[in-house]
Amino acid sequence: GEDVEQSLFLSVREGDSSVINCTYTDSSSTYLYWYKQEPGAGLQLLTYIFSNMDMKQDQRLTVLLNKKDKHLSLRIADTQTGDSAIYFCAEGTSGSARQLTFGSGTQLTVLP
Amino acid sequence: DGGITQSPKYLFRKEGQNVTLSCEQNLNHDAMYWYRQDPGQGLRLIYYSQIVNDFQKGDIAEGYSVSREKKESFPLTVTSAQKNPTAFYLCASRQGDSDEKLFFGSGTQLSVL
Repeated sequence: GEDVEQSLFLSVREGDSSVINCTYTDSSSTYLYWYKQEPGAGLQLLTYIFSNMDMKQDQRLTVLLNKKDKHLSLRIADTQTGDSAIYFCAEGTSGSARQLTFGSGTQLTVLP
Repeated sequence: DGGITQSPKYLFRKEGQNVTLSCEQNLNHDAMYWYRQDPGQGLRLIYYSQIVNDFQKGDIAEGYSVSREKKESFPLTVTSAQKNPTAFYLCASRQGDSDEKLFFGSGTQLSVL
């Protein structure tokens, strides 16, 4: 079955860039997503990328996709303390009613 | 404001008791989903429904039941057969097969007394 893997923890200094990595196994994935979860809250969709794209930029967020290696990354520029949260990578296939397969999440801690 | 409302925020279950978690959406979305989240793990799919009066099992449906009598509502019952129910439960919805974006409620934390 599909599998999505992420490292569990990442710490960065305020103002630095954060890079959160993710690998997936399903070669038929159509979309890849990044969600953010703050403590005790639901998941907030940050951004997503189609599998035929290499890069997507949205303000401080840059998503890079290496489809050959099935590797996805999320770069957060000028990381702020408000960016501290759990970040989930997820993959999905167009037309699939089952929707998404999620990674285990990366806990990002931003140090002052 | 449109959105997904889950209630209650916190819920406690006694041994042998069934409890029901509420999920309501006013986004006019066709499809609704229930996920379970355990600490340090990703989300696991319990049940999903693409249309009223129809639903399918996800990866961990045992010990859970759902109904979809109305488009806007998708309640989840955690039955006494679920031996390890303590978890954070998330409801989600999306427009339909053509919409790839999944929107989440704020979750319900279920604990066993």
